[in-house]
Amino acid sequence: SQQGEEDPQALSIQEGENATMNCSYKTSINNLQWYRQNSGRGLVHLILIRSNEREKHSGRLRVTLDTSKKSSSLLITASRAADTASYFCATGGGSEKLVFGKGMKLTVNP
Amino acid sequence: GAVVSQHPSWVICKSGTSVKIECRSLDFQATTMFWYRQFPKQSLMLMATSNEGSKATYEQGVEKDKFLINHASLTLSTLTVTSAHPEDSSFYICSARDLLAGGPTYEQYFGPGTRLTVT
Repeated sequence: SQQGEEDPQALSIQEGENATMNCSYKTSINNLQWYRQNSGRGLVHLILIRSNEREKHSGRLRVTLDTSKKSSSLLITASRAADTASYFCATGGGSEKLVFGKGMKLTVNP
Repeated sequence: GAVVSQHPSWVICKSGTSVKIECRSLDFQATTMFWYRQFPKQSLMLMATSNEGSKATYEQGVEKDKFLINHASLTLSTLTVTSAHPEDSSFYICSARDLLAGGPTYEQYFGPGTRLTVT
């Protein structure tokens, strides 16, 4: 079963707008990661947030984690057409298996 | 650094034939590699965990005799789809963990994927 589930499944916005994607998970975690996948390509690691962190920033990305609600959000600010991709949250990693959410397709229109 | 390659990037084969997909860590050593498959517009599903020098650990529901995994060195793991059928058509992605990263790092590095089409 999928550990994380993103919502919404697809999001279409205009360039310059912010995009927020949410992810929920079911079991306790040590960390949660976000990945990007361009169409037909492999995954690119975006950011990792540990269970004892509440918020983390990386460039135009901001990730929050609420362990009490078992949820995380990824915010992309000032979106660009190049941000068009599918985004996945995942728990686990390293020598542990990664369990991916369903993914969310973001389209940024120029 | 931390580049993972896959070969081939795409392959078309006839039903009943076998196909081998290679996953290589180009600039680091990986004791553990993971194989995922992804159907169109769906998420990645882990198929198996491959450890160098030992047998792979398969996820529930994945046929080990159909999806043969060999991790013969610290930089190479192969996935062989035996007696392929159209339902095996999918996007196969590998990932690897950097052995020397040390500490509680959770990052895995992903290959670009291999698209398999079985006709």
